[in-house]
Amino acid sequence: AQSVTQPDIHITVSEGASLELRCNYSYGATPYLFWYVQSPGQGLQLLLKYFSGDTLVQGIKGFEAEFKRSQSSFNLRKPSVHWSDAAEYFCAVATAFGNEKLTFGTGTRLTIIP
Amino acid sequence: ETGVTQSPTHLIKTRGQQVTLRCSSQSGHNTVSWYQQALGQGPQFIFQYYREEENGRGNFPPRFSGLQFPNYSSELNVNALELDDSALYLCASGTGQETQYFGPGTRLLVL
Repeated sequence: AQSVTQPDIHITVSEGASLELRCNYSYGATPYLFWYVQSPGQGLQLLLKYFSGDTLVQGIKGFEAEFKRSQSSFNLRKPSVHWSDAAEYFCAVATAFGNEKLTFGTGTRLTIIP
Repeated sequence: ETGVTQSPTHLIKTRGQQVTLRCSSQSGHNTVSWYQQALGQGPQFIFQYYREEENGRGNFPPRFSGLQFPNYSSELNVNALELDDSALYLCASGTGQETQYFGPGTRLLVL
């Protein structure tokens, strides 16, 4: 069965600094990978997704992620964070194209300090 | 704004009771999935419905059941509520082609 690990429970970053959130997955075949963001009291918003092709994917709000098969990783990055980026971030994997049964990690809470 | 709505936003029940949560999907979305998100955890897949039939279930007991209707609405029913059922329940709809769109969730508290 597939699984997702987000090693960092909580990360604090200064506004304007760069950000990298880690995600490792376990799955025997090519995974379909997602990053979602959840603000307090809100549902999940899709930031970006990887299905195939270019391993560096661009998303909304200036986020990008890189798929590294050799490391089973799909880390999320942003060159300069804004106070509005404070939220919970979830990495997720699906096992087939069009398969909407997502397996999520436990999330990383991002705090932004002025 | 994802076009997916859920009701109610909050709900309090007592142990042993039954609850129905509702979701309204975007027009044209023929799949709906339900997830349970316990406090401090990532969402866990409960089940998915495709064209009104259950199309996969996660590790949840039969007292979790669902319905999907032709008008793009759906329900999650939970019988014999337990304290551990307290969570945020999310529905997500899609077309089975790419991504799915999540609603804001219903927060259920079981006392």
